[in-house]
Amino acid sequence: SQQGEEDPQALSIQEGENATMNCSYKTSINNLQWYRQNSGRGLVHLILIRSNEREKHSGRLRVTLDTSKKSSSLLITASRAADTASYFCATAYTSGTYKYIFGTGTRLKVLA
Amino acid sequence: DGGITQSPKYLFRKEGQNVTLSCEQNLNHDAMYWYRQDPGQGLRLIYYSQIVNDFQKGDIAEGYSVSREKKESFPLTVTSAQKNPTAFYLCASRMTGGAGGTEAFFGQGTRLTVV
Repeated sequence: SQQGEEDPQALSIQEGENATMNCSYKTSINNLQWYRQNSGRGLVHLILIRSNEREKHSGRLRVTLDTSKKSSSLLITASRAADTASYFCATAYTSGTYKYIFGTGTRLKVLA
Repeated sequence: DGGITQSPKYLFRKEGQNVTLSCEQNLNHDAMYWYRQDPGQGLRLIYYSQIVNDFQKGDIAEGYSVSREKKESFPLTVTSAQKNPTAFYLCASRMTGGAGGTEAFFGQGTRLTVV
């Protein structure tokens, strides 16, 4: 069963604008991660935020985590055409063993 | 270069055949994972292994089998019992330990098509 759900499913913006994607999950987690996937390729890790952290930055990326609402958001500032990709959140939790559960993704299109 | 390699990139299977997808990593990671991705969908966990000679079923293990005889290798066999095997298959590995968890490293995927 998939735990993470991203919102929106698709997003189209102009170059230079900011893009915000949201992720909701269902149970307690160790951490939450965001990944990027270009069409037909593997996933690339972007950022990891631990359950005791509330906000994290990496370059043009800003991630927030609200464990009380079981939600996270990924903000990409000053978007570029090269940011066009699908973005997935993955929740990591331990129930005997450590597993990742991926959401269905947000398809971002940045128009030049 | 350290990384995780999947082969082949494209694979075609006839009805009733078993096929094996290769996944090799030289990152010295203990844990390895297999996911299936259908068009426009997220990733679903097929099998995972935390350590050599041990593996567990994920959410959609039926029709698949794996082995973990070496730390570097985690091959996935798609058997004839898998009725709808056409999909994009992704292998991942991660380093175990580390407070708060670690990220997964992914291969470039194998696209399997039934002909």
